[in-house]
Amino acid sequence: EPEVTQTPSHQVTQMGQEVILRCVPISNHLYFYWYRQILGQKVEFLVSFYNNEISEKSEIFDDQFSVERPDGSNFTLKIRSTKLEDSAMYFCASSEGNLAPSYNEQFFGPGTRLTVL
Amino acid sequence: DAKTTQPNSMESNEEEPVHLPCNHSTISGTDYIHWYRQLPSQGPEYVIHGLTSNVNNRMASLAIAEDRKSSTLILHRATLRDAAVYYCILRASGTYKYIFGTGTRLKVLA
Repeated sequence: EPEVTQTPSHQVTQMGQEVILRCVPISNHLYFYWYRQILGQKVEFLVSFYNNEISEKSEIFDDQFSVERPDGSNFTLKIRSTKLEDSAMYFCASSEGNLAPSYNEQFFGPGTRLTVL
Repeated sequence: DAKTTQPNSMESNEEEPVHLPCNHSTISGTDYIHWYRQLPSQGPEYVIHGLTSNVNNRMASLAIAEDRKSSTLILHRATLRDAAVYYCILRASGTYKYIFGTGTRLKVLA
């Protein structure tokens, strides 16, 4: 069964450093997403991406964050200058593009645990 | 975004049916009802979704009240593997994002 994969599984970085989290969505999917979950808290939506542009973003997704689809398979989340409060599990998700967005389910990856020291 | 209300936690015995309730009294006519679950240390996993009619799939059934102000996720025979946090989420027409609440933590007793 096809699945979303994410690398690395755990990333440790120093405050102020840039990090790039990588995701490989399911191959025929057209919509891509990033969510995050701070330990013990809710899953929070960050951004959705379609046709090489951001289609929706939350207020968490400020200028420190960016997303990119650098090639036909990868989808990345970059945090330019990490803060302590960016420590969280980051989940990538993807969904098909053939139906209305409110109908399509999203398939989530296993997550990348980001620890900012 | 319309809100949902779920019990914080529920318990079930293994191999018995489980009914997980969700209230969404402010749902609008075009909101879809989605259910996801999150097993320990994993990403959310799609369970089922519907708009007005009851839905069945290999994982569960979704019963939607006639006025759509509430719904119930039904696991027909709970297994230990079903222990997870279950989220009931409303997704507005034309929006891509899920707004997760705190969900219901289901404990399955052997």
